[in-house]
Amino acid sequence: KNEVEQSPQNLTAQEGEFITINCSYSVGISALHWLQQHPGGGIVSLFMLSSGKKKHGRLIATINIQEKHSSLHITASHPRDSAVYICAVLPQLIFGTGTRLQVFP
Amino acid sequence: EAGVAQSPRYKIIEKRQSVAFWCNPISGHATLYWYQQILGQGPKLLIQFQNNGVVDDSQLPKDRFSAERLKGVDSTLKIQPAKLEDSAVYLCASSLGGSGSYNEQFFGPGTRLTVL
Repeated sequence: KNEVEQSPQNLTAQEGEFITINCSYSVGISALHWLQQHPGGGIVSLFMLSSGKKKHGRLIATINIQEKHSSLHITASHPRDSAVYICAVLPQLIFGTGTRLQVFP
Repeated sequence: EAGVAQSPRYKIIEKRQSVAFWCNPISGHATLYWYQQILGQGPKLLIQFQNNGVVDDSQLPKDRFSAERLKGVDSTLKIQPAKLEDSAVYLCASSLGGSGSYNEQFFGPGTRLTVL
């Protein structure tokens, strides 16, 4: 069993839909990092959080340390949100395999 | 502010050849990371530097991979000799870092290595 698991692996949505991507982990952590990877490989940091919830524009990230679970939500999804979303736990720097999101107009 | 720079962007070599990748982190970032990302997988940490010292190289295949960060700024990652399974994207990232702090990482564009 992987120490960091993401679900779903693949996700398709219509523009405007509410998206949820999940990340579960089995190790004790200090923080969790959500990243976005576009075709071509560039990785962009979205959030780093150790408790509660963070919001940036249409993106919301939540974490429950006791349940060892984090979610990334995208409200009013748009085709430009199409990318691979990856979570990583710290301090171990173990990454999930990513969730590939495609948003269609 | 300039981002993390990596070169080359692409490299094709034959197995048993040697290859080197270069990374220039964001100015002032003490911590530098090298990751290997195989197609369809998440990045895997190879080595983490704090200034010019190694923090974690437990997943670095030391029989063929080596890395250095002289003067605590630029870093090079070398593979010698390369194997087919080394085909991957090699990502460099940096963060402000500091003992006990877990800072947001900024990633470079990566070097895509193909070993034939």
